[in-house]
Amino acid sequence: GNSVTQMEGPVTLSEEAFLTINCTYTATGYPSLFWYVQYPGEGLQLLLKATKADDKGSNKGFEATYRKETTSFHLEKGSVQVSDSAVYFCALSALGGGADGLTFGKGTHLIIQP
Amino acid sequence: GAGVSQTPSNKVTEKGKYVELRCDPISGHTALYWYRQSLGQGPEFLIYFQGTGAADDSGLPNDRFFAVRPEGSVSTLKIQRTERGDSAVYLCASSLTAGRGQETQYFGPGTRLLVL
Repeated sequence: GNSVTQMEGPVTLSEEAFLTINCTYTATGYPSLFWYVQYPGEGLQLLLKATKADDKGSNKGFEATYRKETTSFHLEKGSVQVSDSAVYFCALSALGGGADGLTFGKGTHLIIQP
Repeated sequence: GAGVSQTPSNKVTEKGKYVELRCDPISGHTALYWYRQSLGQGPEFLIYFQGTGAADDSGLPNDRFFAVRPEGSVSTLKIQRTERGDSAVYLCASSLTAGRGQETQYFGPGTRLLVL
C-alpha cells in the first residue's frame, strides 16, 4: 500500500535559520506529491506540489523536489520566519486504480522562535 | 465565502447515537473527499465522490459509516451507533475534478466530533 513517512516534530528553529523537513514515500506507480500546511486555528491548505519526477514545487520561499530515485520530497526554506510556525504535512496521491484520496504523513510541527 | 464549509464545527454526542456531518464544497467542484484526523496524526482518507457517485469508499472503517452526495454538491457523512473511538476531526475537501491525482484538494475547517 501507499505510505508517507516524515520527520517527527516538534522542530524548533530560530528566525532566519535554514529549514529542512524530510519526507519519504512508498507508492505503486507514479504518484503526485504535495506539502500541505496547517497554521494555528486554520484549515489545511496546499503549500506546493509536484506531479512528476524531478519537478520542483515552490511557494512562499519553500521548495521541494520530487526525487524518484530516493522516493523523497523534502521541504526546504532558506530563511524561516516566525509566521512559518505551523504543522506541515507531506502527502501523495496515487495515480490510477480509481482512488484519488491523499495519503498523508503524520505531520511535523514547526516552531520558529524570534 | 468561496471555500469549503462544514457544519457543525463541533459535535458532542453520546456513545450509540447517530450523527450527520455536512460538507458544502466549492461551487463547480465535481470531486469531494472525506478524511478523518485523529489527534497527532495526519488525515486519513475515508471516501471520495465524483459527481453523485462514491468512486472509492475503501477508507470507510466499517459499515457504521456512510456518505451521500445526492445532487452532486453537498455531501453528508453519516455515522451510526457512534463509539468513543470515532472521536476525531472530520475533514472535507473538494477539487475541480478527480483526474489522475494531480488536482489540488481544498479543505474545509473540519467538524470536531467528540463521542462521550
